[in-house]
Amino acid sequence: AQSVTQPDIHITVSEGASLELRCNYSYGATPYLFWYVQSPGQGLQLLLKYFSGDTLVQGIKGFEAEFKRSQSSFNLRKPSVHWSDAAEYFCAVAPYSSASKIIFGSGTRLSIRP
Amino acid sequence: DVKVTQSSRYLVKRTGEKVFLECVQDMDHENMFWYRQDPGLGLRLIYFSYDVKMKEKGDIPEGYSVSREKKERFSLILESASTNQTSMYLCASSLSPQMGDTQYFGPGTRLTVL
Repeated sequence: AQSVTQPDIHITVSEGASLELRCNYSYGATPYLFWYVQSPGQGLQLLLKYFSGDTLVQGIKGFEAEFKRSQSSFNLRKPSVHWSDAAEYFCAVAPYSSASKIIFGSGTRLSIRP
Repeated sequence: DVKVTQSSRYLVKRTGEKVFLECVQDMDHENMFWYRQDPGLGLRLIYFSYDVKMKEKGDIPEGYSVSREKKERFSLILESASTNQTSMYLCASSLSPQMGDTQYFGPGTRLTVL
């Protein structure tokens, strides 16, 4: 069965420091991959998505993610975090055969140290 | 901008009550979804609908039903609320069944069942 793993439940980084959030998926073929962000009290907002082509994907708010097929990973990165980046981040997978259904990871909560 | 609205941000109900959660989207989207979000479990799909009067079970449909009489509106029904249905409920919509189409989320309804 398809699955998404976010191994880090909670991460704290200092403002201005770089960030990497990890995501691994389990699926037989290359799925569609997403990162969503949920700010406190809000719904989820799409940061970026990968379907095919260039394995480095640029998103909104200065985020990027890199698809590595050999590692079944899709890690999210940002070179310099801002206090407003404090939120919960969800990696998600849409299996090719069931495009409308997205499987979400359990989320990583990001805190920013002033 | 796509807007997905949910009828209530907070709701408190008693065990055994029938509960209706309403979701409306204003962008003529084909697909609509109901998820529940619990700490450490991420988002889990309850039901989705790909057309008016059409619905399909997600991963955790037990104890829930849905209704989609109009394209823009998708209702989640708890026939007899139980305490284990205390959760955050998120509605989402997407334009079409195209593979990996972006889902747009509402702000969520936090339901407490006493």
